[in-house]
Amino acid sequence: EAGVAQSPRYKIIEKRQSVAFWCNPISGHATLYWYQQILGQGPKLLIQFQNNGVVDDSQLPKDRFSAERLKGVDSTLKIQPAKLEDSAVYLCASQGGLRSLTEAFFGQGTRLTVV
Amino acid sequence: AQKVTQAQTEISVVEKEDVTLDCVYETRDTTYYLFWYKQPPSGELVFLIRRNSFDEQNEISGRYSWNFQKSTSSFNFTITASQVVDSAVYFCALRKRDNYGQNFVFGPGTRLSVLP
Repeated sequence: EAGVAQSPRYKIIEKRQSVAFWCNPISGHATLYWYQQILGQGPKLLIQFQNNGVVDDSQLPKDRFSAERLKGVDSTLKIQPAKLEDSAVYLCASQGGLRSLTEAFFGQGTRLTVV
Repeated sequence: AQKVTQAQTEISVVEKEDVTLDCVYETRDTTYYLFWYKQPPSGELVFLIRRNSFDEQNEISGRYSWNFQKSTSSFNFTITASQVVDSAVYFCALRKRDNYGQNFVFGPGTRLSVLP
């Protein structure tokens, strides 16, 4: 079974530029998460989708971050404009369902460096 | 509020030593799940174990074992006869059993270095 796919693996941009990350979850998984992991810290939830609807985006900095999952499958996360403190690894994860008792499966992440 | 604490930031052991990673959690929920994930240098979070709050039985899987104690809100992870390949960052996480909002809450992680 294919895992969670993310691209790109690495991205370096200058502050105030925009950037987009892509995630393709495991086939059939209705729940999709985006996490931000700053170096030396645990992952922090940015947004959670159930199919193409947003379940929780309370920790998403909406003035600069946006995410969509239009067809309920793959998802994009965008940052515009980027700040230095956005440097982190952005992890995408998927899960079988909102009430699912299973664990979340994570992609390898996109490492963003803002200079 | 939910919170996960991993007091050990970094641990170094020599190969074949046993090592225990501590995890203490806070939650007001009576039903919840606890997890351990491993994050090797490649960056992907690898699932290790899930434990239901109703099930306090300890579990052993090969060289890995987990000690869940609800009375002390702890879910510790022990690696027996550690190997170099065990070197990684290990995260303990808490999740409500049935939730419609915030999902996994991760601890800050413990970096384990196993030296040959």
